[in-house]
Amino acid sequence: KAGVTQTPRYLIKTRGQQVTLSCSPISGHRSVSWYQQTPGQGLQFLFEYFSETQRNKGNFPGRFSGRQFSNSRSEMNVSTLELGDSALYLCASSLWGGAANEQFFGPGTRLTVL
Amino acid sequence: DAKTTQPPSMDCAEGRAANLPCNHSTISGNEYVYWYRQIHSQGPQYIIHGLKNNETNEMASLIITEDRKSSTLILPHATLRDTAVYYCTVRVPRTDPFGNEKLTFGTGTRLTIIP
Repeated sequence: KAGVTQTPRYLIKTRGQQVTLSCSPISGHRSVSWYQQTPGQGLQFLFEYFSETQRNKGNFPGRFSGRQFSNSRSEMNVSTLELGDSALYLCASSLWGGAANEQFFGPGTRLTVL
Repeated sequence: DAKTTQPPSMDCAEGRAANLPCNHSTISGNEYVYWYRQIHSQGPQYIIHGLKNNETNEMASLIITEDRKSSTLILPHATLRDTAVYYCTVRVPRTDPFGNEKLTFGTGTRLTIIP
């Protein structure tokens, strides 16, 4: 079974631009979560989607948004990029039920804002 | 508002047991303790989770104190490939597709296995 895939793997943007990152979950997984990882803040939760609905959100400004499609693939968008948005953006998928619903992470997209 | 605290770094000799502590003094009764690790340039990898009983799988053992305010992840025979950042987090496993799930990761423990 293929793992979580994220595209692109690396991205360089300039301040003020916007960016869209993509995540394809493991086949059969319906929940997708997004995280931002930086050396200073560690791993921070952005949001989670299930069945095309956002059902949990972290403490990030409205510039960060996301969506999920009917095939469970998800995208996140960051508008008006700032230097501080440079980070590794991780996507994780999981099944929805049971105690063993551990999350499976993708390799991440490394975003650099210049 | 981190719910877990971990030492920032630890060293362990290759072949010895690595014991990684985690404090979660505000854990709720229905929250599980989960451990993940992140090897350089990769996404985090699930290791193990538990509620109150000790757990063991092919990767590690998890020891949770009786009051559930702290836990220890044990890698019984550490190898160089176990060098990674280890994250402890607490969460309520989802039991229905519409429930909310609070997710928090701290800064983790950077474990270095020394040859």
